[in-house]
Amino acid sequence: QSALTQPASVSGSPGQSITISCTGTSSDIGGFYDVSWYQQHPGKAPKLIIHDVSDRPSGVSNRFSGSKSGTTASLTISGLQAEDEADYYCSSYNNRNSLLFGGGTKLTVL
Amino acid sequence: QLQLQESGPRLVKPSETLSLTCTVSGGSINTLNYYWGWIRQPPGKGLEWIGHTYYNGNTYYSPSLKSRVTISVDTSENQFSLRLTSVTAADTAIYYCARRGVEGVHPRSFDYWGQGTLVTVSS
Repeated sequence: QSALTQPASVSGSPGQSITISCTGTSSDIGGFYDVSWYQQHPGKAPKLIIHDVSDRPSGVSNRFSGSKSGTTASLTISGLQAEDEADYYCSSYNNRNSLLFGGGTKLTVL
Repeated sequence: QLQLQESGPRLVKPSETLSLTCTVSGGSINTLNYYWGWIRQPPGKGLEWIGHTYYNGNTYYSPSLKSRVTISVDTSENQFSLRLTSVTAADTAIYYCARRGVEGVHPRSFDYWGQGTLVTVSS
């Protein structure tokens, strides 16, 4: 069981928007502002797409956005494209300076 | 362009020690601004943080693996290494090395990753 809870799967049609949630506690997501999101295509290494809750690294599409409310962080992908089909992982530090990952969400583009 | 590359045995016997090295190119590991870490992923499963190290040898480990893990750094070779003792089948995973920013200087996220190496624990 992962420390951060994500839905196992989400799906959407091209052009639509989807949101992936990541639920933690007051000891991790609720207490820190360095939630990150990673995208992982099959057979590839994870790629950082969101850091510090809502900031995008250089080169990451602005179709990806992040937010946080209380103990839940969210990743929204707008204008879904076939290339967005991948696994997505959230991460956060906790109050013991340990890094936690969510269990991952498989995004299917219909 | 920064690149990280994992190397080491792909097959380890149960109860033995897993050893991997990450070679960094395109940038120096001897920097105040970044940590160097290890993350693993069992086949078909999610990511698990193992730990990370600083250029001066300071280390930070996952509580669940702390008793079996050692991460060390060799600035002269621009490498850092992972040792995991007393392995079992549950340690079979893809092992990634990655770079993480130092708080207050860069985001505390892993922004550069190696391609990963599958290590299988089996007799």
